[in-house]
Amino acid sequence: DSGVTQTPKHLITATGQRVTLRCSPRSGDLSVYWYQQSLDQGLQFLIQYYNGEERAKGNILERFSAQQFPDLHSELNLSSLELGDSALYFCASSQTSGRTNTGELFFGEGSRLTVL
Amino acid sequence: KNQVEQSPQSLIILEGKNCTLQCNYTVSPFSNLRWYKQDTGRGPVSLTIMTFSENTKSNGRYTATLDADTKQSSLHITASQLSDSASYICVVSNYGGSQGNLIFGKGTKLSVKP
Repeated sequence: DSGVTQTPKHLITATGQRVTLRCSPRSGDLSVYWYQQSLDQGLQFLIQYYNGEERAKGNILERFSAQQFPDLHSELNLSSLELGDSALYFCASSQTSGRTNTGELFFGEGSRLTVL
Repeated sequence: KNQVEQSPQSLIILEGKNCTLQCNYTVSPFSNLRWYKQDTGRGPVSLTIMTFSENTKSNGRYTATLDADTKQSSLHITASQLSDSASYICVVSNYGGSQGNLIFGKGTKLSVKP
């Protein structure tokens, strides 16, 4: 158990809909990262938050947005869903702000999104 | 362009045998290299992290090596077990950048057969 909690574990929805994925980081970790993993593909970085503020942005679509709340949990919002958005979405947390790049990343078990 | 290439793409070995997975990278400037194990449908779990000055690092039956000159790393698994069946992901990070600059390889899918 990494200590990172993601909900829901599975989600099935229709094209055009909007969903919210939730992540609770490990106790004490200030950074939260979101990744997308499509079938048989590598992990794609979406976005990072540190202590409530956006720290880095990757290949995140404009239809997607995220935020980190004062209690450090984070939510990833996916809207106007398309079939190609079906994927595993992972959240990871670490203690570091990202400047040193040596911090350990702890991944949650992921949220599997299926868009029909 | 910062890239991480892993080989082979997939590998099947018999239980008890050893194997070596390869990782070549073109990431610059280099900060550290990580190996993760990802069971199917699960989140990645860290095996090792190596900085520029480290040549080898072990975690049980897993031993990672790093040659920063040739920009190559390998992950050696000794006396494989059925539970080693997973994808192994090599990840390289840039020095001085955000941890969002972690560059992920596509992984090597290892199947250990009885």
